[in-house]
Amino acid sequence: QVQLQQSGPGLVKPSQTLSLTCAISGDSVSSNSAAWNWIRQSPSRGLEWLGRTYYRSKWYNDYAVSVKSRITINPDTSKNQFSLQLNSVTPEDTAVYYCARGPGAVVVITESYFDYWGQGTLVTVSS
Amino acid sequence: SYELTQPPSVSVSPGQTARITCSGDALPKQYAYWYQQKPGQAPVLVIYKDSERPSGIPERFSGSSSGTTVTLTISGVQAEDEADYYCQSADSSGTVVFGGGTKLTVL
Repeated sequence: QVQLQQSGPGLVKPSQTLSLTCAISGDSVSSNSAAWNWIRQSPSRGLEWLGRTYYRSKWYNDYAVSVKSRITINPDTSKNQFSLQLNSVTPEDTAVYYCARGPGAVVVITESYFDYWGQGTLVTVSS
Repeated sequence: SYELTQPPSVSVSPGQTARITCSGDALPKQYAYWYQQKPGQAPVLVIYKDSERPSGIPERFSGSSSGTTVTLTISGVQAEDEADYYCQSADSSGTVVFGGGTKLTVL
């Protein structure tokens, strides 16, 4: 049974960096048949996919156009986890952030979906 | 930007059939996925690749596709099915896209 456990601060000041971590159990961040995603949800923007990291002989990342200039998703193989960093946050980045597994060896984005999710972290951007 | 359109709400009585639609221009060429979300919880995958049901999801959940519309059907709706439902697909530029969600009310 795959479990994803999120951690990180719930309050971030404007212009600073939002950082969250997702610890994986029951699977491996280095799996050749999974991708590891970050998704957020807010009343104004709904569910929004932010990006992913995955390993297929080497590490790859894909990011949503809306956050591409501000986002970094990194794997940590020593701790079997992956992280999200979102720079230069504004109040519009206030949302519940989820990590999620995308199953399957195929990494075509049009066949991406999410079968296991973390518990969610409410991140508020405010001074 | 690409959009998936869902009705904001659907209401049904227990035991009836609920149908939730999702429309998008790219749906004839892309798979659709469906999630159930209850208050305060993470979404749960209930349908993948238009009509496949993950293990552990009741048989009353089914999915179908026709042209630019995909449909989630819940047969014999139960009180526990009351939730928000989201469709998901992708656009041609390689971005995952979610619908705006449909609130299913069991009367």
